[in-house]
Amino acid sequence: NFMLTQPHSVSESPGKTVTISCTRSSGTIATNYVQWYQQRPGSAPTIVIYEDNQRPSGVPDRFSGSIDSSSNSASLTISGLKTEDEADYYCQSYDNNNRVFGGGTKLTVL
Amino acid sequence: QVQLVESGGGLVKPGGSLRLSCAASGFTFSDYYMSWIRQAPGKGLEWLSHISSSSSYTNYADSVKGRFTISRDNAKNSLFLQMNSLRAEDTAVYYCARDSTVGATFDYWGQGTLVTVSS
Repeated sequence: NFMLTQPHSVSESPGKTVTISCTRSSGTIATNYVQWYQQRPGSAPTIVIYEDNQRPSGVPDRFSGSIDSSSNSASLTISGLKTEDEADYYCQSYDNNNRVFGGGTKLTVL
Repeated sequence: QVQLVESGGGLVKPGGSLRLSCAASGFTFSDYYMSWIRQAPGKGLEWLSHISSSSSYTNYADSVKGRFTISRDNAKNSLFLQMNSLRAEDTAVYYCARDSTVGATFDYWGQGTLVTVSS
């Protein structure tokens, strides 16, 4: 099985742009789709990006996803940061029969 | 609208058993894979198991293989997780999630049910 590695925490000011990375340990990042989930304290996760770069309806276009094969990583970018974006963010992918989550990144908007 | 509601959590002693349920509504349950995912206190998400739409296929994370069993009842729009030989490290909030096999996306989640394993 592979692992997905995320930074433990990131912080940025309101109105700015932040990028959270997710690096796959083995296998090619582009082979299997990557999803991103937002989890606010005390709540269940909700999806914000699926299939690498697709936004579910209702998710603002301030959220975007991308894949970088050269670094074997995926990224979640949030522009125009708002205080309500403060949450934990998890990347997730899969191989054959297993689903794998990254360790999560705590985003602080201050 | 899609709703997933877990139940069955609680306090159980090490070595004990518990059966979690997830009631689904707002979509054609029998069309979808379903998964169980857990989150230990203050920790990240851990995928545990999934089951195909017709129950013909199941898969488990190594951490629960041989101890947990996933099942479903499409007639009752329900998903289950039978947990045996529980350990302290199984203490977590357990979520059921709809598993969109195209892209392995967990597009809808329940609110979770807390399982505490302690003597």
